[in-house]
Amino acid sequence: EPEVTQTPSHQVTQMGQEVILRCVPISNHLYFYWYRQILGQKVEFLVSFYNNEISEKSEIFDDQFSVERPDGSNFTLKIRSTKLEDSAMYFCASSAFLGQGAYEQYFGPGTRLTVT
Amino acid sequence: DAKTTQPPSMDCAEGRAANLPCNHSTISGNEYVYWYRQIHSQGPQYIIHGLKNNETNEMASLIITEDRKSSTLILPHATLRDTAVYYCIATTDSWGKFQFGAGTQVVVTP
Repeated sequence: EPEVTQTPSHQVTQMGQEVILRCVPISNHLYFYWYRQILGQKVEFLVSFYNNEISEKSEIFDDQFSVERPDGSNFTLKIRSTKLEDSAMYFCASSAFLGQGAYEQYFGPGTRLTVT
Repeated sequence: DAKTTQPPSMDCAEGRAANLPCNHSTISGNEYVYWYRQIHSQGPQYIIHGLKNNETNEMASLIITEDRKSSTLILPHATLRDTAVYYCIATTDSWGKFQFGAGTQVVVTP
């Protein structure tokens, strides 16, 4: 069964450093997403990406964040200058559009980011 | 997106059916109801979705009331591996964005 993969599974970084989280979406999906979940809190939407552009972003997704699809398979989330409050589990997801407004979205296993 | 309301927790005996309710009284006509679950800190796992009709797949059944203001996810024979947080989401976002709530923590006991 196809699945979304993410690397690394755990990333530890120092405050102020740049990090890049990587995702390989399901191959025939065209819609890509990043979500995050701070420990003990809800899963929060960050950004959606379609046709090589950001289609929606949340208030969390400020200028410190960027996304890119550098080739035909990878989808990355970059945090330019990490803060302590960026520590969270980051989930990548990809989706097929099923028509009539329905999406079937699949999530990766997540990258745990720890900022020290 | 319609606001959804779920009980914070439920217990279920192994082998019995688990019936998880979700209220979405403000749902609009074109909003789908999706169910996901999250086992421990893993990525949310798709279970099922529906618009008006009841739906069934290998994991679960989704019963949507005729007025669409509520739905029930049914896990027919709960196992210990079904212990998870279950999320009900009602949305028609153009780009497939999901807004997760707190969900229902389901604990399946032997």
